[in-house]
Amino acid sequence: QSALTQPRSVSGSPGQSVTISCTGTSSDVGGYNYVSWYQQRPGKAPKLMIYDVTKWPSGVPDRFSGFKSGNTASLTISGLQAEDEADYYCCSYAGSHTLIFGGGTKLTVL
Amino acid sequence: QVQLQESGPGLMKPSETLSLTCTVSGGFISTYHWSWIRQPPGKGLEWIGYISYSGSTNYNPSLQSRVTISVDTSKNQFSLRLYSVIPADTAVYYCARARDFDDYFAWGAWGQGTLVTVSS
Repeated sequence: QSALTQPRSVSGSPGQSVTISCTGTSSDVGGYNYVSWYQQRPGKAPKLMIYDVTKWPSGVPDRFSGFKSGNTASLTISGLQAEDEADYYCCSYAGSHTLIFGGGTKLTVL
Repeated sequence: QVQLQESGPGLMKPSETLSLTCTVSGGFISTYHWSWIRQPPGKGLEWIGYISYSGSTNYNPSLQSRVTISVDTSKNQFSLRLYSVIPADTAVYYCARARDFDDYFAWGAWGQGTLVTVSS
């Protein structure tokens, strides 16, 4: 298993939208609708932001949205806010009851 | 609201066995699935494995030969054992609970994490 591929960094200004991609293979991202996204602020534990590709856990604002096409999933954050600055990780089911994470993307709010 | 707390040694020597415990409060461990996830300093997350409420386990293939996850329902705890540790096992280790009863794809509640350093 190799980690899912994410851009190392993305940036945007307040109010703008940014999209973070997560590329895998047909054995993980492309094969199942079980992609989740986590936000991790410095020194903190990850927080679930999106599950099952497009769904929101309770309490997560709908400025965060998920999508998948083929072997690539994406997380879009609209109406960017300073508090969104964090690292973001995707995670996918990879079959046989295993999971795989992406390498992480650092979001900077300019 | 469920809370998870990891506990274990902060410093270990190579070849030793790492033992971590996750204590669950505010919920019963006999429901949901429970996972261990680690993060080397400055690096990304790595899924280690999970145990189901039935006691069945599943592990990351890259760690499977060195890992055991177990549950103690009487103490509302689950544990991780990682054998023959090496410096590359240095990481913050998180325990986590699945998002929902029948879910093992997304992890909705996390402990604060505990740093384990492997060094001679």
